[in-house]
Amino acid sequence: AQSVSQHNHHVILSEAASLELGCNYSYGGTVNLFWYVQYPGQHLQLLLKYFSGDPLVKGIKGFEAEFIKSKFSFNLRKPSVQWSDTAEYFCAVNDYKLSFGAGTTVTVRA
Amino acid sequence: GAGVSQSPSNKVTEKGKDVELRCDPISGHTALYWYRQRLGQGLEFLIYFQGNSAPDKSGLPSDRFSAERTGESVSTLTIQRTQQEDSAVYLCASSQDGGRETQYFGPGTRLLVL
Repeated sequence: AQSVSQHNHHVILSEAASLELGCNYSYGGTVNLFWYVQYPGQHLQLLLKYFSGDPLVKGIKGFEAEFIKSKFSFNLRKPSVQWSDTAEYFCAVNDYKLSFGAGTTVTVRA
Repeated sequence: GAGVSQSPSNKVTEKGKDVELRCDPISGHTALYWYRQRLGQGLEFLIYFQGNSAPDKSGLPSDRFSAERTGESVSTLTIQRTQQEDSAVYLCASSQDGGRETQYFGPGTRLLVL
């Protein structure tokens, strides 16, 4: 069975700071990788995804993620966060059913 | 078109009662999934429907949990004899063809068992 681990449970940072959220997965076969975001009071939304090709993928709202196969990692980054990025972020691996990490709560202080 | 919809949005029930949760997938999506999100935890896979194939029930936590789907449309998740540990947000997702395709989530049903 796959497992997904997210390195940080809660991250607090100021506006304009850079953000990096770590994600590692255990499965060695072909997988698709996702980051989902859940803003306060809203439902899960797709932030970005990696299926194949360029390991650096760009998503909505200035987020990007890098797939490093040798490290089984898919870390999420944003160079300069905004208050509106306050949300919970989930990394997920799809081998037909999604396996999620526990999530990282990001709080951006204005 | 419209996204995944779920009803009710909130459900409060007494321990021992049965509950039914409904999911309407995105039109044309052949695959439908149910997940559970307990407070402070990630999502747990419950069950997966793909077209007319037998569903993958490997994530259902006990025989009190069951789900049905009619064709490629609505699905109902039923929890019998609810327990307090069943309190969670139940999320439904659909994808166009299953497999490793992108899954799109509904708003969830927040279940509280008293």
